[in-house]
Amino acid sequence: GIQVEQSPPDLILQEGANSTLRCNFSDSVNNLQWFHQNPWGQLINLFYIPSGTKQNGRLSATTVATERYSLLYISSSQTTDSGVYFCAYSGAGSYQLTFGKGTKLSVIP
Amino acid sequence: DTGVSQDPRHKITKRGQNVTFRCDPISEHNRLYWYRQTLGQGPEFLTYFQNEAQLEKSRLLSDRFSAERPKGSFSTLEIQRTEQGDSAMYLCASSLEDRHQETQYFGPGTRLLVL
Repeated sequence: GIQVEQSPPDLILQEGANSTLRCNFSDSVNNLQWFHQNPWGQLINLFYIPSGTKQNGRLSATTVATERYSLLYISSSQTTDSGVYFCAYSGAGSYQLTFGKGTKLSVIP
Repeated sequence: DTGVSQDPRHKITKRGQNVTFRCDPISEHNRLYWYRQTLGQGPEFLTYFQNEAQLEKSRLLSDRFSAERPKGSFSTLEIQRTEQGDSAMYLCASSLEDRHQETQYFGPGTRLLVL
């Protein structure tokens, strides 16, 4: 079945540092989204990015569909960036999202 | 645009009781999804509606689970004869059918604890 692998599973950063989170997926892509889950459990949309590159403030994402991976970049990290980042993906002809296990990010002052 | 809403936000019940959760999608979104998330894991797909039709169901959705979307607007998820293993966060998402960019937006979730 469809697999989504995220790395690293845990990441601790000093405030102001940059980071790269990776998502590998196993099939051709229909939908790929990155989410941030806050401490209250709310999943916040970061990017819809089945291909190409997008930027939003300090965050940017790149998906290389032919090589089946996506990257999320966080620059100048802040303590409010802490939480779990999920990559979620659906394959061709499917609408259900399959989530990775997430990357737990802790930004310390 | 008020976002996806879910009710209740928290539910504590005793094993064997029935529970029902409600999801109100973003207005005009014709697709609605239910997911379940247990501690330390990513959300897992349960079922999907396009308008009022239930088009996909996961194997996770046992016979004790039923979902409806009677008028293609809000949806309910009912769990009968709850078990302790049903304790989880139940998440609802909605999207507007779009062949170019179909983003799923999630609600705040209903956290269920079965004692």
